[in-house]
Amino acid sequence: EVQLVESGGGLVQPGASLKLSCVASGFTFSDYWMSWVRQTPGKTMEWIGDIKYDGSYTNYAPSLKNRFTISRDNAKSTLYLQMSNVRSEDTATYYCTRVRSPYVMDAWGQGASVTVSS
Amino acid sequence: DVVLTQTPSTLSATIGQSVSISCRSSQSLLDSAGNTYLYWYLQRPGQSPQLLIYLVSNLGSGVPNRFSGSGSGTDFTLKISGVEAEDLGVYYCMQATHAPLTFGSGTKLEIK
Repeated sequence: EVQLVESGGGLVQPGASLKLSCVASGFTFSDYWMSWVRQTPGKTMEWIGDIKYDGSYTNYAPSLKNRFTISRDNAKSTLYLQMSNVRSEDTATYYCTRVRSPYVMDAWGQGASVTVSS
Repeated sequence: DVVLTQTPSTLSATIGQSVSISCRSSQSLLDSAGNTYLYWYLQRPGQSPQLLIYLVSNLGSGVPNRFSGSGSGTDFTLKISGVEAEDLGVYYCMQATHAPLTFGSGTKLEIK
């Protein structure tokens, strides 16, 4: 069974950094592109970015590119999202997704909740 | 960024009723290779989104055939032929033709 389990969320102060993890199981992690998508409290969905199966290439939403970094460790079957200088508008549930051609996000984690507040 | 406008924002249906959701794009989603990267996802209450339709009209794995997708260019429709209780939730369209990938604002389906 394909599983994606996010962790690392919580309450964080504005300006701080936070790193989310997503552990994958039930499939060969290194065969797939992976992505991060977030959902605001108002239920708006926003694509954050993605990373190639070997970690050699990343894409980002332009509005987040300067503060968010996606990486992966294929030996650990783990995807990461490094968030820096967080703002209140980063408050959201963060989902990792598996991506297969043609850009089908066919598996989603349960989500990690991040709240940015002082 | 491409804006996807979904209508209606809320939909109320009885069991067995057929319903449609519209997704209109601010730009054509047809790419130079002739592909249209338009998708539909359903988020049931308390759950993560799940794929329903990819490339406009292709059913995701395990998705019941009462769901169907159609459209081209800038206008797309998701149809549910015979709503069932498990179909309640929020439906999102999504495009991946133009970077960055964007989502519609969602359509909430309620069961009367």
